Amino acid sequence: AQSVTQLGSHVSVSEGALVLLRCNYSSSVPPYLFWYVQYPNQGLQLLLKYTSAATLVKGINGFEAEFKKSETSFHLTKPSAHMSDAAEYFCAVRDTGGGNKLTFGTGTQLKVEL
Amino acid sequence: EAGVAQSPRYKIIEKRQSVAFWCNPISGHATLYWYQQILGQGPKLLIQFQNNGVVDDSQLPKDRFSAERLKGVDSTLKIQPAKLEDSAVYLCASSLAGSSNEQFFGPGTRLTVL
Repeated sequence: AQSVTQLGSHVSVSEGALVLLRCNYSSSVPPYLFWYVQYPNQGLQLLLKYTSAATLVKGINGFEAEFKKSETSFHLTKPSAHMSDAAEYFCAVRDTGGGNKLTFGTGTQLKVEL
Repeated sequence: EAGVAQSPRYKIIEKRQSVAFWCNPISGHATLYWYQQILGQGPKLLIQFQNNGVVDDSQLPKDRFSAERLKGVDSTLKIQPAKLEDSAVYLCASSLAGSSNEQFFGPGTRLTVL
């Protein structure tokens, strides 16, 4: 079964600093990987997805992620954090069974400080 | 376009009571998903519908949970009887038919079981 592991349940950065949220995957086949963001009391919103095309994926709000097969990683980055980036971020992998089922990681809460 | 609608947004019940949640997907989306998000965890798929048929309900606790999508549009998720461990946010999502389409999430229903 496919799975993702998010390292660090809480990450704190200063405004303007680099954001790095870690995600490692486990999959026996090339995975489809996703990053979602969840603001308080809201549903999840897709930030970006990797579907085996370019290894560097650009998403919304200045975020990007790089697929590294050798490291089985798909870390999310943003060069300069903004206060509005404070939210919970989830990494997810799509099931290979063809049903579009997503398996999510446990999430990373990002705090942005002045 | 209107997003995924869910109601109620919040519900507090006592254990052994029953509760129902409602979801209205984005117009034209054939696939509908119900997820359970327990505090501190990522969302877990409970059931997936394609039109009014069930695609995947492998993680649905069928002794107490049921879901239906009779006309292939709106859906209801029911818990009867509720247990303390059912306290969670229940997220509904929808997507176009097909295995590679983005899932759009509703704001969720926060259930507290006392």
